[in-house]
Amino acid sequence: NAGVTQTPKFQVLKTGQSMTLQCAQDMNHEYMSWYRQDPGMGLRLIHYSVGAGITDQGEVPNGYNVSRSTTEDFPLRLLSAAPSQTSVYFCASSSPGIETQYFGPGTRLLVL
Amino acid sequence: TQLLEQSPQFLSIQEGENLTVYCNSSSVFSSLQWYRQEPGEGPVLLVTVVTGGEVKKLKRLTFQFGDARKDSSLHITAAQPGDTGLYLCAGNPNSGYALNFGKGTSLLVTP
Repeated sequence: NAGVTQTPKFQVLKTGQSMTLQCAQDMNHEYMSWYRQDPGMGLRLIHYSVGAGITDQGEVPNGYNVSRSTTEDFPLRLLSAAPSQTSVYFCASSSPGIETQYFGPGTRLLVL
Repeated sequence: TQLLEQSPQFLSIQEGENLTVYCNSSSVFSSLQWYRQEPGEGPVLLVTVVTGGEVKKLKRLTFQFGDARKDSSLHITAAQPGDTGLYLCAGNPNSGYALNFGKGTSLLVTP
């Protein structure tokens, strides 16, 4: 049981490049979410999904897209990276009615 | 708008000392959670408090939920270097999924 996995662990992008951060969970959790963590800002919710085919915006959605085609996977897409998107990105999953969120190890992104 | 305010932001103490971390809000929460995050890793849930006035203990860690369900505290007795990390409180003030996090308290316990 791997829990929540994220790839890549580290990434350096140039401004304007696109990339997809991968997130997968093997706990059959319906809920999945993406957060970014910046110094002094805590964890902020980007997008979340309450089930396959259903996504919604969180606190800071601009510049990011998501889709949820399967229960297991919830990729986060940066269409045109900006330096302001330099951050550590965490994916999390949970089950309805159970508030514990299980976090992945994070992806550290640097946009130059 | 920061729904959950944590204090202090940083705390550096010596092994054996006691400490308390606070998580405050003007909003009412159905529950509050405490997570601990170690460098290079994702947050890990320590406890969820649900009932106003509730006290939960996890070894040397004591968590309390305020009577009005607007605040919570984490008390560590006889801190150890292994307690070093970032402590985050989180909660959902509305029905639905979105979880709000505080900015965290960074704790350093030196031998």
